[in-house]
Amino acid sequence: EAGVTQFPSHSVIEKGQTVTLRCDPISGHDNLYWYRRVMGKEIKFLLHFVKESKQDESGMPNNRFLAERTGGTYSTLKVQPAELEDSGVYFCASSLGQGTDTYGYTFGSGTRLTVV
Amino acid sequence: AQKVTQAQTEISVVEKEDVTLDCVYETRDTTYYLFWYKQPPSGELVFLIRRNSFDEQNEISGRYSWNFQKSTSSFNFTITASQVVDSAVYFCALSEADRTYKYIFGTGTRLKVLA
Repeated sequence: EAGVTQFPSHSVIEKGQTVTLRCDPISGHDNLYWYRRVMGKEIKFLLHFVKESKQDESGMPNNRFLAERTGGTYSTLKVQPAELEDSGVYFCASSLGQGTDTYGYTFGSGTRLTVV
Repeated sequence: AQKVTQAQTEISVVEKEDVTLDCVYETRDTTYYLFWYKQPPSGELVFLIRRNSFDEQNEISGRYSWNFQKSTSSFNFTITASQVVDSAVYFCALSEADRTYKYIFGTGTRLKVLA
């Protein structure tokens, strides 16, 4: 079984540019999550999809961030325009259930975003 | 407020030593879940264990063991006879019953096991 795949693994962009991160969850996982770790701090929740619907986007920092999940399959996270404080590692995870699964979430390797 | 504290930023041990990673949590919920994840150099977060708040039994899995103590709000992780392959960043996390999908992570502890 393929794991959660994230593209790109690294991205360096200039302040003001747009970047789109992609996440391919495990096939059949209805639940998809985005998290972010900024510079050695804790990993923070951004949002949660159930299929194509946003269940909870309370962790999205501001309206420069837009997440979509086309047809309930892969998801994209767009940052437009990017600011310096957006730098960090963006993780995607997927699961069958919602957090009470015995085996937890399956996370991807993350996208390291650097805004210069 | 919910919070997870991993006070140890980085720990270095020599191979075969035992090491304990500390995790202290805060929550007002009586039903909650605690997790440990490992982040090896490849970057992905690997699930290690999940514990619910009603199960205070300690757990052992090979060289790994976990000590859950509600009285001190701690969920510590011990690696016995550490190996170089254990070198990674370890994260403790909490989720609460009303939003089990939302993990609250600690800042992580970087473990370096030296040969």
